[in-house]
Amino acid sequence: DAGITQSPRYKITETGRQVTLMCHQTWSHSYMFWYRQDLGHGLRLIYYSAAADITDKGEVPDGYVVSRSKTENFPLTLESATRSQTSVYFCASTPLPRGEQFFGPGTRLTVL
Amino acid sequence: ILNVEQSPQSLHVQEGDSTNFTCSFPSSNFYALHWYRWETAKSPEALFVMTLNGDEKKKGRISATLNTKEGYSYLYIKGSQPEDSATYLCAFQGAQKLVFGQGTRLTINP
Repeated sequence: DAGITQSPRYKITETGRQVTLMCHQTWSHSYMFWYRQDLGHGLRLIYYSAAADITDKGEVPDGYVVSRSKTENFPLTLESATRSQTSVYFCASTPLPRGEQFFGPGTRLTVL
Repeated sequence: ILNVEQSPQSLHVQEGDSTNFTCSFPSSNFYALHWYRWETAKSPEALFVMTLNGDEKKKGRISATLNTKEGYSYLYIKGSQPEDSATYLCAFQGAQKLVFGQGTRLTINP
């Protein structure tokens, strides 16, 4: 499928488990981003990447790990999930430093 | 910590009326100001990316202005329609990162 996709769309896990959320884009955009959506906080940036093998922290990176071995993929891993990481996670990409961002459909993650 | 404020938080408007809302952001280290439209159960979609002081952008009935010196942007919707009901997000960009406001939730009453 063309565009930006996320998988899984829904995930329920338990505290302490490792979880990986996938993000894939077919546009070869250089920049990719992970956000979480929380009530009262809107969208907050977790990590971003300017190109393959280049990643940097956003506003709320603690407890998350990212990698970018290929331009089209930007997985987000929760190393040991906590209840506070229950959220909706959005991946986004853009070709330009000041370009509009294109968002994926989101992954709803519940940590029990 | 960067502060991006949007007001009002929510707004109810009668169909056919025009409306506007505000995004306030830091006036220093400005790189770009983004506006996104976010419908319930969907993903945010870009409306505008504005980079220059005094910028005005328009898409159909929606337009936006930018004042980087005083740190604000206005979004205007002319002749509101039910399909305009959504949350409108602004985001301040300094370098590569976006900092989002909490959004203005717009409801159009038929």
